[in-house]
Amino acid sequence: EPEVTQTPSHQVTQMGQEVILRCVPISNHLYFYWYRQILGQKVEFLVSFYNNEISEKSEIFDDQFSVERPDGSNFTLKIRSTKLEDSAMYFCASSTGVRKDTQYFGPGTRLTVL
Amino acid sequence: RKEVEQDPGPFNVPEGATVAFNCTYSNSASQSFFWYRQDCRKEPKLLMSVYSSGNEDGRFTAQLNRASQYISLLIRDSKLSDSATYLCVVNLRDSSYKLIFGSGTRLLVRP
Repeated sequence: EPEVTQTPSHQVTQMGQEVILRCVPISNHLYFYWYRQILGQKVEFLVSFYNNEISEKSEIFDDQFSVERPDGSNFTLKIRSTKLEDSAMYFCASSTGVRKDTQYFGPGTRLTVL
Repeated sequence: RKEVEQDPGPFNVPEGATVAFNCTYSNSASQSFFWYRQDCRKEPKLLMSVYSSGNEDGRFTAQLNRASQYISLLIRDSKLSDSATYLCVVNLRDSSYKLIFGSGTRLLVRP
């Protein structure tokens, strides 16, 4: 069964450093998403991406965040200058063009900012 | 008011028990409804979509009441492996199709 993959599984970084989280969505999916989950809290929407552009972004997704689909398979989330409060699980998700609302999640990247 | 509200639990039940979770959502424009399951420090996994007519998948039954903005999940004959956090999720079907998550209800099934 096809699945969303994410790398790395765990990233430790110093405050102020840039990080890039990588995702490979399911191959025939057209809609891509990033969510995050701070430990003990609910899953929160960050950004959605379709047709090589952002469809919507949340208030969390400020100028420090960016997304890119550099080739036909990868979907990346970059945080330019990490803060302590960016420590969280970051989940990538994707969906087809037909059932846009049925999203499949990757295993997540645990980001720890020291 | 929270967009999606759930009782955090935990619900602690013996194997074989029937357990029900409820969820309310605040935005009447919500169009799609789901239950996801999340194990500790893992990704949310789609358990089932929820339809107005109600739907069943094995031991799991989901119901939607649009008038009351209320969603439920019933688990029959609980198994130890059902222990997890159950997330109520809605989608506005706006331009982004973003999912809005509840905080989850924790279920512990004991032997």
